[in-house]
Amino acid sequence: DTEVTQTPKHLVMGMTNKKSLKCEQHMGHRAMYWYKQKAKKPPELMFVYSYEKLSINESVPSRFSPECPNSSLLNLHLHALQPEDSALYLCASSPLGTNEKLFFGSGTQLSVL
Amino acid sequence: KQEVTQIPAALSVPEGENLVLNCSFTDSAIYNLQWFRQDPGKGLTSLLLIQSSQREQTSGRLNASLDKSSGRSTLYIAASQPGDSATYLCAVEGAQKLVFGQGTRLTINP
Repeated sequence: DTEVTQTPKHLVMGMTNKKSLKCEQHMGHRAMYWYKQKAKKPPELMFVYSYEKLSINESVPSRFSPECPNSSLLNLHLHALQPEDSALYLCASSPLGTNEKLFFGSGTQLSVL
Repeated sequence: KQEVTQIPAALSVPEGENLVLNCSFTDSAIYNLQWFRQDPGKGLTSLLLIQSSQREQTSGRLNASLDKSSGRSTLYIAASQPGDSATYLCAVEGAQKLVFGQGTRLTINP
């Protein structure tokens, strides 16, 4: 299994809602990532987990809350988002170490109304 | 701060042509450079990874080169096909983790 699975594929939420994005991989990768991608822009790194511990937080607002319950799962909890947070949210995983390819999921297209 | 630039931003060619996509980066202290493909509204697929000690990598009709000293990489696509139409992004890995270029949107016309 060489897939990174993200759910849901599409999400529409109001600014007062609480929702969660989910990401799952069964490749034994111990590094997992959240990226945010606006239309026609490159992905921007949000968070990195190494061995289920948060290792990088790229100064992301607290309305985004990541969670890594185990080595296969990664969640992104959303609360009180703004319309400008509408974007494609991508999860990725890789073996730990340098010179390792990243495997991306298909993403969750999020619209905040 | 690492900056990655891709030229051109968009490219349209007839089917069957060989083509070259360009990527440049400002800081040569990198671990590797990766080329990704992204279809509209989808995730990224890693095509090739070139380690900083390597000069090129090949996979099928794709060949990527790396000149670390000049801060340049090229992705060569041979005998292009309509299915190659996508956005191609290069990304360099260094101390700042992966830094992506803006991408080249490639269209192959039948």
